[in-house]
Amino acid sequence: DARVTQTPRHKVTEMGQEVTMRCQPILGHNTVFWYRQTMMQGLELLAYFRNRAPLDDSGMPKDRFSAEMPDATLATLKIQPSEPRDSAVYFCASGLSQGEGAFFGQGTRLTVV
Amino acid sequence: AQKVTQAQTEISVVEKEDVTLDCVYETRDTTYYLFWYKQPPSGELVFLIRRNSFDEQNEISGRYSWNFQKSTSSFNFTITASQVVDSAVYFCALTKGGTYKYIFGTGTRLKVLA
Repeated sequence: DARVTQTPRHKVTEMGQEVTMRCQPILGHNTVFWYRQTMMQGLELLAYFRNRAPLDDSGMPKDRFSAEMPDATLATLKIQPSEPRDSAVYFCASGLSQGEGAFFGQGTRLTVV
Repeated sequence: AQKVTQAQTEISVVEKEDVTLDCVYETRDTTYYLFWYKQPPSGELVFLIRRNSFDEQNEISGRYSWNFQKSTSSFNFTITASQVVDSAVYFCALTKGGTYKYIFGTGTRLKVLA
């Protein structure tokens, strides 16, 4: 069963530390997204890539967040420096075409203390 | 502006009851896609169905069925003979044709009681 794999599943870090979240999209999928889920804001799109090129990262705080796809099998989301308000569940998802639907990973639950 | 409204915050039903989750959307686009996702207690988002704006046929998959009505901008989801395993948060989502930006509703938490 093909699935999106995210690591780590849980991360607790101190304010000011760098956090890196990783995602392995489903093999062959050419679109990768990062979403953030919080109780207050629900699901928010942070960034998405098509064929490894960033198409939209308007939802991402540029001063501290960065998203990359070093290769087709790896997407990363970094936060530096982290802040308590970044505490959330971060989801990676991948898809093949816009109408097919995206498949989400299990998420990384980030807690910044 | 695009928007998805799930007015039901939480629904509780007894096992074997039928339940309908409502989804109303707003968009000015003529081409768009609608989706339903399930988020069980384990936390991941599970894709259930997608519909494009040109296909108003209702769909049935086992105990699940979906009713898409463009006239009322609704894409409702019905679970027949609900089971405890159906307990989850269900999200309706909309994307604009040609983009992958999902606009999610706020979700409906379904509790199925044994």
